[in-house]
Amino acid sequence: EVQLLESGGGLEQPGGSLRLSCAASGFTFSDYAMSWVRQAPGKGLEWVSTINNSGGSIYYADSVKGRFTISRDNSDNALYLQMNSLRVEDTAVYYCAKGDTATAMLTLFDFWGQGTLVTVSS
Amino acid sequence: DIQMTQSPSTLSASVGDRVTITCRANQSISSWLAWYQQKPGKAPKLLIYKASTLQSGVPSRFSGSGSGTEFTLTISSLQPDDFATYYCQQFNSYWTFGQGTKVAIK
Repeated sequence: EVQLLESGGGLEQPGGSLRLSCAASGFTFSDYAMSWVRQAPGKGLEWVSTINNSGGSIYYADSVKGRFTISRDNSDNALYLQMNSLRVEDTAVYYCAKGDTATAMLTLFDFWGQGTLVTVSS
Repeated sequence: DIQMTQSPSTLSASVGDRVTITCRANQSISSWLAWYQQKPGKAPKLLIYKASTLQSGVPSRFSGSGSGTEFTLTISSLQPDDFATYYCQQFNSYWTFGQGTKVAIK
């Protein structure tokens, strides 16, 4: 059974940093692209970032480019999102999602974690 | 950037009703479209991919159609478990979600 467990969310001040983690199990992690998707309170889904299976191809939404960094550790079955220069508008539940392909492009999100809440406020 | 527009934003329906949700892209995405269901406080769940392929385990009352710029999600006979918010998503060029359609009890 595929399981994705996010952690690392919390309350942070504007301009601060947080690092989210996603622990994966139930599938061969190194065979699949992985993504982060967020959802602001009461709002819709917004794609944040995607990384291919090897970590060699990475994509970011314009809203986070230059501030967020996605990475993965295939030996540890873990996905990360380093979030710097946080803004109030980054407040959201952040979901880790498994891709259905090794490549990043044309992958979709076939399994999702339960999410971790990030709140940016002074 | 590819933009996705869903309609309606909200619909009210009764158990047993046939429900159709439309999703339009502002440029062709071939069949690179997925549909997700989300219930309050829960993660989204993949229902349909490549416009019309049912994800394993999803009931056959769900179906998808379309290609290019216009797509539909149909629930043939609405069940109590289907009251939720539905999102379309294009994955032809990066990833973009529609704004969601809430299916509420009439």
